[in-house]
Amino acid sequence: QSVLTQPPSMSAAPGQKVIISCSGSSSNIGKNYVSWYQQVPGTAPKLLIYDNNKRPSGIPDRFSGSKSGTSATLGITGLQTGDEADYYCGTWDNSLSAGVFGGGTKLTVL
Amino acid sequence: EVQLVESGGGLVQPGGSLRLSCAASGFTFSSSWMSWVRQAPGKGLEWVANIKQDGSQKYYVDSVKGRFTISRDNAKNSLYLQMNSLTAEDTAVYYCARLGDRQVYGYWGQGTLVTVSS
Repeated sequence: QSVLTQPPSMSAAPGQKVIISCSGSSSNIGKNYVSWYQQVPGTAPKLLIYDNNKRPSGIPDRFSGSKSGTSATLGITGLQTGDEADYYCGTWDNSLSAGVFGGGTKLTVL
Repeated sequence: EVQLVESGGGLVQPGGSLRLSCAASGFTFSSSWMSWVRQAPGKGLEWVANIKQDGSQKYYVDSVKGRFTISRDNAKNSLYLQMNSLTAEDTAVYYCARLGDRQVYGYWGQGTLVTVSS
């Protein structure tokens, strides 16, 4: 059972938009910044969003992040087949003194 | 270019030990917090440990406390994870990651597989 809660799977058609949610608590998302990672099966995770809504260089603006209270979201617009991957949210939990991740969301672009 | 290369994984019997290494290049290793993150087969990401630049602060997930030790050698640009009393639940791909401010895993290695089985 992950500390952060994500939907296990989502699907959408090419060109459409999807929003992946990440729910936490006052000790993690409520007090800390959230980052998002993309993992294509068989490869290492890659940073997509940091500090709730910032994109590293090279990440297209089709990817966006937001945070409100104890929840965060990752938005992906103009879906492409190459966006099929697992997506994870992550942050620090002050009560646990530990890094925490969501359980991951498998995105299918069909 | 930032590079993180893990090594040391393999097959080990329950109760055994293993030491993972991570060779870093392309950034100032001694100025960076570092992390280990693992992923069991078919499962999600699990944070394992963090270590501060000078090794003076270390944090661990509860399930490995007392069994795993994170360490570093800044002269060798290397990160380590000593794993003792291994169980089947420790079977996973172990990733080394450069940790940025606010628990951001900015760069990841390719991972090394640890299999605990008799």
